[in-house]
Amino acid sequence: SQQGEEDPQALSIQEGENATMNCSYKTSINNLQWYRQNSGRGLVHLILIRSNEREKHSGRLRVTLDTSKKSSSLLITASRAADTASYFCAKAGNTGKLIFGQGTTLQVKP
Amino acid sequence: DTGVSQDPRHKITKRGQNVTFRCDPISEHNRLYWYRQTLGQGPEFLTYFQNEAQLEKSRLLSDRFSAERPKGSFSTLEIQRTEQGDSAMYLCASSPPPGQGPQPQHFGDGTRLSIL
Repeated sequence: SQQGEEDPQALSIQEGENATMNCSYKTSINNLQWYRQNSGRGLVHLILIRSNEREKHSGRLRVTLDTSKKSSSLLITASRAADTASYFCAKAGNTGKLIFGQGTTLQVKP
Repeated sequence: DTGVSQDPRHKITKRGQNVTFRCDPISEHNRLYWYRQTLGQGPEFLTYFQNEAQLEKSRLLSDRFSAERPKGSFSTLEIQRTEQGDSAMYLCASSPPPGQGPQPQHFGDGTRLSIL
C-alpha cells in the first residue's frame, strides 16, 4: 500500500501561474524525493530533500519539508505548458527503496 | 543514450502464459529496483538488488514472480501463469551507491503488460 497522500489529486492552471502540490507521509524518513512522469513514460527525478533539510530549490522548483508535520510541498513557479505531467512524492528509507504517493496530475493550459 | 533501458516496451499475452522483462541499468549503478504501476496510481515497490544480491522483496511479489540479476548488471523479471491483475506498467530504476549521501533513482520507460 502507498505510504503517503498527495493533495490535490488534480490541478489545472493557466500558463504563468504557480502550482503547489502537497504530500504527507506517516512514518519517519531518510529523505523525500519528488518525481515527474509524463504520460506513458518513466519517472524523472526532480528534487531530493534530506530529513534534516527544510527547503531546496532547483530552477523554477521549490520543495519544502516539515518533519514535525510529516509533510512536504512542491512549488512550480511561472508554469509552462510543458510542465503538464503527473508529480509524485516518494519517501525513501535507508535501502533507497521508494514509497510513492498517488500523485498529483497537473494540467497547464497555454 | 546511457539511461535505463527496458525491453520490451509493450507486451500483450494471454492469461496463463509466462512473460519475462529485461532491464539494463546505468552501467555504474550497483542498485536496481523494480516497481509496478497501475493506472492512476503511484509506482509500488516490488524488489531491490544491490549488485547481484536480491536484498528485499515486497509482499506484492507472489511466488509467481521471480527476479534475477545474475552478474550484477542487467536484471530480468519473470511472471509465471499470468493473471488479469498482473496488467500494469513494470518500471525498473537504478541508482549509484549512497556514497556521500542518498541518491535519486533513474527510471526506464517501463514495460506495459496487458493480459487478455
